Amino acid sequence: AQTVTQSQPEMSVQEAETVTLSCTYDTSESDYYLFWYKQPPSRQMILVIRQEAYKQQNATENRFSVNFQKAAKSFSLKISDSQLGDAAMYFCAYRSARSGNTPLVFGKGTRLSVIA
Amino acid sequence: DSGVTQTPKHLITATGQRVTLRCSPRSGDLSVYWYQQSLDQGLQFLIQYYNGEERAKGNILERFSAQQFPDLHSELNLSSLELGDSALYFCASSEEGLLGYEQYFGPGTRLTVT
Repeated sequence: AQTVTQSQPEMSVQEAETVTLSCTYDTSESDYYLFWYKQPPSRQMILVIRQEAYKQQNATENRFSVNFQKAAKSFSLKISDSQLGDAAMYFCAYRSARSGNTPLVFGKGTRLSVIA
Repeated sequence: DSGVTQTPKHLITATGQRVTLRCSPRSGDLSVYWYQQSLDQGLQFLIQYYNGEERAKGNILERFSAQQFPDLHSELNLSSLELGDSALYFCASSEEGLLGYEQYFGPGTRLTVT
């Protein structure tokens, strides 16, 4: 079974600075998707960024980018120019790409605080 | 707004009782997933339905059951409730096939068992 580990329960960053959240995963599959979800105090799950395992290029969405190291099974999220609205729980998630949509496997999350 | 709706938003009930949580997926999405998020924890997958049929099961207790109806809405039934069942229950939906890599989450139902 696949597992996702987020080793940083809490992180903090100064406004306008850069922060990196770590995520490692364990799988024997070669084709899969990786995601970062944001959960603000409203508890809504918001997709931040996704990465297809077959793509070597790291995904980028505005201020959010990932460092995907397939061999190391590492998938970190970098937030640049941090804003107060970035404060939230961040969850790393894995999904198998085998046929038929499959459920997500989540890490336990990292709580990010942004200091003004 | 993800397009996925869940009712009710909040539910408070007593131990031993039974409740039903309802989810309506995005228009056209055939897959529905149920997840449980206990206090300050990650989301745990419970069960998945595709076009009315159960497709995958996760860590779902025997006291819990679900179904998906012909109009594709889904219900999660929780019975003989215990204090530990207090959690946020999310429903998500996705398209089938290559476009289905993303799951769209509803706002969740917060269940409190007293």
